[in-house]
Amino acid sequence: DAGVIQSPRHEVTEMGQEVTLRCKPISGHNSLFWYRQTMMRGLELLIYFNNNVPIDDSGMPEDRFSAKMPNASFSTLKIQPSEPRDSAVYFCASSPGLADTYANTGELFFGEGSRLTVL
Amino acid sequence: DQQVKQNSPSLSVQEGRISILNCDYTNSMFDYFLWYKKYPAEGPTFLISISSIKDKNEDGRFTVFLNKSAKHLSLHIVPSQPGDSAVYFCAASAGAGGVSFGNEKLTFGTGTRLTIIP
Repeated sequence: DAGVIQSPRHEVTEMGQEVTLRCKPISGHNSLFWYRQTMMRGLELLIYFNNNVPIDDSGMPEDRFSAKMPNASFSTLKIQPSEPRDSAVYFCASSPGLADTYANTGELFFGEGSRLTVL
Repeated sequence: DQQVKQNSPSLSVQEGRISILNCDYTNSMFDYFLWYKKYPAEGPTFLISISSIKDKNEDGRFTVFLNKSAKHLSLHIVPSQPGDSAVYFCAASAGAGGVSFGNEKLTFGTGTRLTIIP
């Protein structure tokens, strides 16, 4: 079974440029999460979707960050304009998201991450 | 404000001995706790979890203990093996683990890098 697929794996860009990170969740999973990993803060939740609808975007740092999920099999995280402090590894994760069932253990399935470096 | 804290950034343990990783939390609404393991250049993978109605959960060499009154949990690995060398993240959620209403938002700690010395 294919896991969560993220692209690109590595991105190096210059300050001020637009960055788009992409994610394909596991087929059949209803929830999708974007996390950012830094040394200082560990894994921070940026935003999560349930059935393609944004549920909680309180972790999005500022207006430069935006995320979309146009359909059940694709999501993007966009940073415009990018800044050096955005350098981090960005993870996408998905989960079955079955509400009101004992099948939901809260386990997330992570992609391999996109390492972003903003110069 | 870090609601899930892993105060030890790193830990080194001799192969064959017990590894103990600690995690503290501040949010009393958390009722489900998970440990994830992460190798370099890979995404975190689920290791073991525990619901707040239990104080211990065991899976092979891995055991998680929960002390709700102290808001503390720990992961024990025994015996430790070289393949256990990784970063371990503690995570917590409110309303998951069989009583979910669709809220599976996980709050993670900053991680502890475990190194097993052969």
